[in-house]
Amino acid sequence: AQSVTQPDIHITVSEGASLELRCNYSYGATPYLFWYVQSPGQGLQLLLKYFSGDTLVQGIKGFEAEFKRSQSSFNLRKPSVHWSDAAEYFCAVGPSNDYKLSFGAGTTVTVRA
Amino acid sequence: DAGVTQSPTHLIKTRGQQVTLRCSPKSGHDTVSWYQQALGQGPQFIFQYYEEEERQRGNFPDRFSGHQFPNYSSELNVNALLLGDSALYLCASSPRGWGANVLTFGAGSRLTVL
Repeated sequence: AQSVTQPDIHITVSEGASLELRCNYSYGATPYLFWYVQSPGQGLQLLLKYFSGDTLVQGIKGFEAEFKRSQSSFNLRKPSVHWSDAAEYFCAVGPSNDYKLSFGAGTTVTVRA
Repeated sequence: DAGVTQSPTHLIKTRGQQVTLRCSPKSGHDTVSWYQQALGQGPQFIFQYYEEEERQRGNFPDRFSGHQFPNYSSELNVNALLLGDSALYLCASSPRGWGANVLTFGAGSRLTVL
C-alpha cells in the first residue's frame, strides 16, 4: 500500500527566510513523487516531480526537492520565501503511468512580514 | 487555453439528496479523474475515466458514480448524501497514457451537506 506522511501541519516563516517541508512516503516499488501547492479557492498546482535520475529536483517558483531513498523522504525547500508562497502544500506518491495518487494531509505555510 | 473547468463552484444539499458535479477537461486531455478533499485532509482518489468507462476506483462506496461523455467531459454523482460527504471535489485531467505525469487539476466544487 502507498501512503504519505507530512509531519508538519502548520509552519510559519518570515519573508525572506528559508523553508523546508517534510514528506515521508511508503511505497512498494520505485516511487514517483510529487509536490503540489493549493492556494485558497484554487486547484492543485504541480510544483515539481521526481521519477528517476538526479535526486535533487528543481521546480517552479524557486522550489526544489531532494529524494532520499534511504530515509523514504522527499522534502521540499525554498531558499527565500515570498509572501505569495503562503498556501497549502501537498506531497503525493504514485505510479507515473497511473492516476491514483496518494496525498499527504498537507502543510499550511504562513508567511509573516 | 482553458484549463480544467468545474461546476458548480459551491453548492449546499441536505442529507439523503443526490448531487451531480461536472467537469470539462483541459483541451487535448481525454482522461478524467475525480478526487475528494475533506477539510484539513489531502485529496483522496475516487475514480478515473477514459473512453467513457470507469478504469480505476478508489475506496469509495457505490453511492459515488460517474460518467464520461464523448467530448471527454465528466460527471460525478453522489446519491443518498451523508454529512461526511461534505468536501471539495476536484477533477483532474490528463492525456491518456501519461497518468499523473501530466495531471491538471480544476479549482473544485465545494459541497456542503446539511
